Amino acid sequence: NAGVTQTPKFQVLKTGQSMTLQCAQDMNHNSMYWYRQDPGMGLRLIYYSASEGTTDKGEVPNGYNVSRLNKREFSLRLESAAPSQTSVYFCASRAGTANTEAFFGQGTRLTVV
Amino acid sequence: GENVEQHPSTLSVQEGDSAVIKCTYSDSASNYFPWYKQELGKRPQLIIDIRSNVGEKKDQRIAVTLNKTAKHFSLHITETQPEDSAVYFCAAKSKGSSNTGKLIFGQGTTLQVKP
Repeated sequence: NAGVTQTPKFQVLKTGQSMTLQCAQDMNHNSMYWYRQDPGMGLRLIYYSASEGTTDKGEVPNGYNVSRLNKREFSLRLESAAPSQTSVYFCASRAGTANTEAFFGQGTRLTVV
Repeated sequence: GENVEQHPSTLSVQEGDSAVIKCTYSDSASNYFPWYKQELGKRPQLIIDIRSNVGEKKDQRIAVTLNKTAKHFSLHITETQPEDSAVYFCAAKSKGSSNTGKLIFGQGTTLQVKP
């Protein structure tokens, strides 16, 4: 059982480049989330998807877009990367039908130079 | 929207002592409060959670208390061990439709347990 899988694990981008972070879960969860983790800032919610076909902004959505491709997959896109987007990105999923645990992917360390 | 404040940002204790981490939340409609532990270089993992209809929950050396009136909740670790050293995050989930609301995290507490 793979749980939540993110790709890639590491990425270096130049300012202005674009890229998509991929996330897939095999637990049949309804809700999926994208967070960024920065020192002293905790885990900040970028976007989330309560169910297939819906997406909503979180605390820090500017500069990002998301797609809930199907129930399994939730991608995060940076259209024009900026150094301020250097961070560790985590995808997470929850069953969504009750107050249940969120499972995290292993994270993507992104550096924008 | 929901805002979660966590204190302290760092905590150093001697092995065997207790550690307490506190969080406050702003949305009175929040109804689920999990705590996550993140070891260096790894993903956050749930260690304990509490729902709004419960005031306290224990699991071996870990306990969480919730005060809905004051909108704060705390993590208590007793008899700390070096392997408890990690970053701890609290979180609060506001009640969205079908219980699928946002999960908002605090800023994290780096706990160091000295042997």
